[in-house]
Order: sequence, then structure tokens, then C-alpha cells
Amino acid sequence: NAGVTQTPKFQVLKTGQSMTLQCAQDMNHEYMSWYRQDPGMGLRLIHYSVGAGITDQGEVPNGYNVSRSTTEDFPLRLLSAAPSQTSVYFCASSRAGGGTYNSPLHFGNGTRLTVT
Amino acid sequence: DQQVKQNSPSLSVQEGRISILNCDYTNSMFDYFLWYKKYPAEGPTFLISISSIKDKNEDGRFTVFLNKSAKHLSLHIVPSQPGDSAVYFCAADYKLSFGAGTTVTVRA
Repeated sequence: NAGVTQTPKFQVLKTGQSMTLQCAQDMNHEYMSWYRQDPGMGLRLIHYSVGAGITDQGEVPNGYNVSRSTTEDFPLRLLSAAPSQTSVYFCASSRAGGGTYNSPLHFGNGTRLTVT
Repeated sequence: DQQVKQNSPSLSVQEGRISILNCDYTNSMFDYFLWYKKYPAEGPTFLISISSIKDKNEDGRFTVFLNKSAKHLSLHIVPSQPGDSAVYFCAADYKLSFGAGTTVTVRA
């Protein structure tokens, strides 16, 4: 039972480079989301999706794109990496409802990204 | 501006004693709250939740209290165990606004 799988675990980029962080879940969850974790800031929502073909912006969407072509996958694209995007990124999923009290989020183990 | 705040970045407690973690929020419309626990190099995992229509929810050693008039919730861990050493996040509502986290260290 893999749950939520994120790849890669670590990545170093140069400013201006682009890349895609992969996220896959095998729990048939409708809701998926991306967070970034920065010291003293907690987890901030970047983008989320309530189902295949539907995405929306969270609290800090600038510089990131997402798409949801299947229920299982929710990749996060960095279009032109900047040092301010150095962070730990977490993908999460849940049953319909987006992490409600009776349908909490299941998180992957994170991708640690450094932009130089 | 963070809608959920955990003002204590760290907490150290002796094994067997009570750990009390606090969380304040600003939006009185929040319907539910959750606590997540995170170990190093892992993603957060769900711990316990509470609906805004309740003032207490208990699950084993973990109890969450909600004071809506004060816009405050707390997580009590009794008794604290070494395996409880982790970062604890409180979160609120749809899209889940997360606090900055409190690092708990349980001393043997």
C-alpha cells in the first residue's frame, strides 16, 4: 500500500531552470493538493484539485502550474525556478472534501528543493 | 496573513507528564480543526480532529479542546511518551490553513 508517492526526494536547480515534481496516489482519492513548508511559516497551499480535470489556486500559486489529467497523478511544475522557491514540497490527497475532519489529508514524504 | 497561529515553536516535557500544545485562529467561520504530527524526513500524518459544534474530542492519549469564544484550541497528550517527539501542526477548515508548528521533545 504505497499511499502518496513523491519523486524526486531531493533536487537542486539553477535559477531559471524548470522542472516537474511528481505526485501519485493509489487510494482513488478525488482531492489532491500541493503544499510548501518553510521555516516559521507552516504549510502553505500552492494548488489543489477536487477531481480529474479540475484545478484551482491556493494561497501561494505564483510561479507554479498544475494539471490533473488522471485521478492518480497531480504533478507540480516550476516554470522558471527562483531562490525563493527553495523549500520542502508536500503532496497530499484525501477523499472528496479536501481534508475535512472526517476525511483528513494523506501526505507524501516530501521533495526538498534547492534553487541556487 | 496566517489565519492559524501556533505561538510556541517548541515544547520540552518529561516522559509521563502532560504535553499541552496551543493554537489560535482568526476566522470565526472555521467549521473544523485538525492536528497533524510530523517526524523528520516524513510527511505529516493525521492525529485528531474536532468539529466546531463540539468543545472536546478524545482519542486515547490525545484530547483536543476547542474554545470558540476565545478562538483557541489545544491538544493535550497524556501521558507523553518518547515516540511523541515530533512537530505538531494545527490546521483549520477547507483548504486547510496550517499553523507554523510546535516541536515537542519528550525527555526520558
